[in-house]
Amino acid sequence: DAMVIQNPRYQVTQFGKPVTLSCSQTLNHNVMYWYQQKSSQAPKLLFHYYDKDFNNEADTPDNFQSRRPNTSFCFLDIRSPGLGDAAMYLCATSRDNQRDWDEQFFGPGTRLTVL
Amino acid sequence: AQSVAQPEDQVNVAEGNPLTVKCTYSVSGNPYLFWYVQYPNRGLQFLLKYITGDNLVKGSYGFEAEFNKSQTSFHLKKPSALVSDSALYFCAVRAYNTDKLIFGTGTRLQVFP
Repeated sequence: DAMVIQNPRYQVTQFGKPVTLSCSQTLNHNVMYWYQQKSSQAPKLLFHYYDKDFNNEADTPDNFQSRRPNTSFCFLDIRSPGLGDAAMYLCATSRDNQRDWDEQFFGPGTRLTVL
Repeated sequence: AQSVAQPEDQVNVAEGNPLTVKCTYSVSGNPYLFWYVQYPNRGLQFLLKYITGDNLVKGSYGFEAEFNKSQTSFHLKKPSALVSDSALYFCAVRAYNTDKLIFGTGTRLQVFP
């Protein structure tokens, strides 16, 4: 089945220790998104890629970086995690951002704990 | 400014009864509206969307939503609730001329046996 996969599902890191979260998709979608979600709040968009074009949200801290080496994979790097970065991180894809009506497909999320 | 409002933090309903989860929106241009459901420790699952045409949209798991342009609403409904419908529900609108979804704050649905 075509899907969005996130690894790991649960990640524990130490304060200040860099961490990388992984997302892959078999949908062959052009657009990939990273969201941060805290305690049942609405997901907050961090950034997204349309193909290789990176689009950062204005209020995304510099501590958060992303890489998309190819269509299938996208990574979220947190350079120096703080306690406030503990959250669920959701990856999503959509077929083409020129089609405003396309829904986004979400992965299961990675829950990040910062000790 | 474009926005989505979900006025109820929580909705409680007995199993077998009809359920409604409310959503209102404010957008520029034609609204593209979505409902997503989130189960504990899981990602969001797409339920249904309104693009154009028939105001009653049918989606997954027996859910439907009614688009009402005059009231700028897009309420989620189900004729007969199941305990397994208990989850967090998000309404979202595609922001005009952007790639982004604007999410509401979410409504927790609790269905009691």
